Amino acid sequence: DAMVIQNPRYQVTQFGKPVTLSCSQTLNHNVMYWYQQKSSQAPKLLFHYYDKDFNNEADTPDNFQSRRPNTSFCFLDIRSPGLGDAAMYLCATSAYPGPSGRDNEQFFGPGTRLTVL
Amino acid sequence: DAKTTQPPSMDCAEGRAANLPCNHSTISGNEYVYWYRQIHSQGPQYIIHGLKNNETNEMASLIITEDRKSSTLILPHATLRDTAVYYCIVRVANTNAGKSTFGDGTTLTVKP
Repeated sequence: DAMVIQNPRYQVTQFGKPVTLSCSQTLNHNVMYWYQQKSSQAPKLLFHYYDKDFNNEADTPDNFQSRRPNTSFCFLDIRSPGLGDAAMYLCATSAYPGPSGRDNEQFFGPGTRLTVL
Repeated sequence: DAKTTQPPSMDCAEGRAANLPCNHSTISGNEYVYWYRQIHSQGPQYIIHGLKNNETNEMASLIITEDRKSSTLILPHATLRDTAVYYCIVRVANTNAGKSTFGDGTTLTVKP
């Protein structure tokens, strides 16, 4: 089945130690997103790629970077994780453009839960 | 994207219809209403979307008022597995990337 895959599901890192989270998709969607979701909060968009074009949200800290080497893969790099970066990180994809709203439906992966010690 | 307002929590008896309201009084003419849900420890899942007509699919029905300032998601026969946080999102389709801005959502608890 076509899907969005995130590895690992659980990641533990140390304060200040760089960490990379991975996302892959078999949907062949041209848009990929990274969201941060802290406990009991709604997902918050960090950035997205439209094909190779990177789009950063205005309030995303510089500590967060992303790479998209090809259509299928996208990585979230946290350069110096702090305790406040502990969260669930969600990857999503969508197809754009499309003639109707359904073409912008987002497909989410299961998330990676990051713990910072 | 227009802001949405949802009640923070709702309960529903198993087998009964769950009606989840959403206010989006500042919605623009080209903005769609999307509903997603997030079951605990999983990624959000698309449920349904609409522009101005009522919509139905295998999961739910979406009723949008004539002035489009509010909508209701209906789960016709709620089961325990429908317990989740339900997010109502309003956004323009076919813009750059169609990204979603999530509000606080409604935590629906289906009780036996």
